[in-house]
Amino acid sequence: EDQVTQSPEALRLQEGESSSLNCSYTVSGLRGLFWYRQDPGKGPEFLFTLYSAGEEKEKERLKATLTKKESFLHITAPKPEDSATYLCAVPGANSSNTGKLIFGQGTTLQVKP
Amino acid sequence: NAGVTQTPKFQVLKTGQSMTLQCAQDMNHNSMYWYRQDPGMGLRLIYYSASEGTTDKGEVPNGYNVSRLNKREFSLRLESAAPSQTSVYFCASSDPGYYGYTFGSGTRLTVV
Repeated sequence: EDQVTQSPEALRLQEGESSSLNCSYTVSGLRGLFWYRQDPGKGPEFLFTLYSAGEEKEKERLKATLTKKESFLHITAPKPEDSATYLCAVPGANSSNTGKLIFGQGTTLQVKP
Repeated sequence: NAGVTQTPKFQVLKTGQSMTLQCAQDMNHNSMYWYRQDPGMGLRLIYYSASEGTTDKGEVPNGYNVSRLNKREFSLRLESAAPSQTSVYFCASSDPGYYGYTFGSGTRLTVV
């Protein structure tokens, strides 16, 4: 069964304290792994796509990496404005080209000043 | 601004009432989706439309119906609302084969 699991569920950091969020997945024939950011009361906003093991993508203080079983979202020297819920998702194995994403439950990050 | 527009933003229904959630996108995307988001459950796909004129069930379709009115609009209907349908509903769109969805801002629905 296609599955995406994120850990931890919640993470509290002090401003400047670097850390990583984990996304593990079980799906046959990975066709990409997607990271989204969701602010309270808003819809998810697309961040990154990773397609193959070893690939890395960066955006400001965020860097996403991918292995054959999991992805990490590294947050370097976070600021309070990085506080949000971070979601990862993969296309289901049976979705063909219809783009059905399976989402993890998310990690809620709080960065305190 | 280009994007996905959902209406209404908030709604309270009594058990048994019906309503339609509206979604429109102006990015000329072919594919559209309805998800619900519940605490501890993540985003779960209700229905999707790969292209105009087609709709298919997702993971949790029971109690819902959809209409792909045209390429821009994809509506979600609750015929007889139940408390279990209390949730936040998100509409999204994308190009076929591209999974970088654009999401709307959501509809927070409470069924009492």
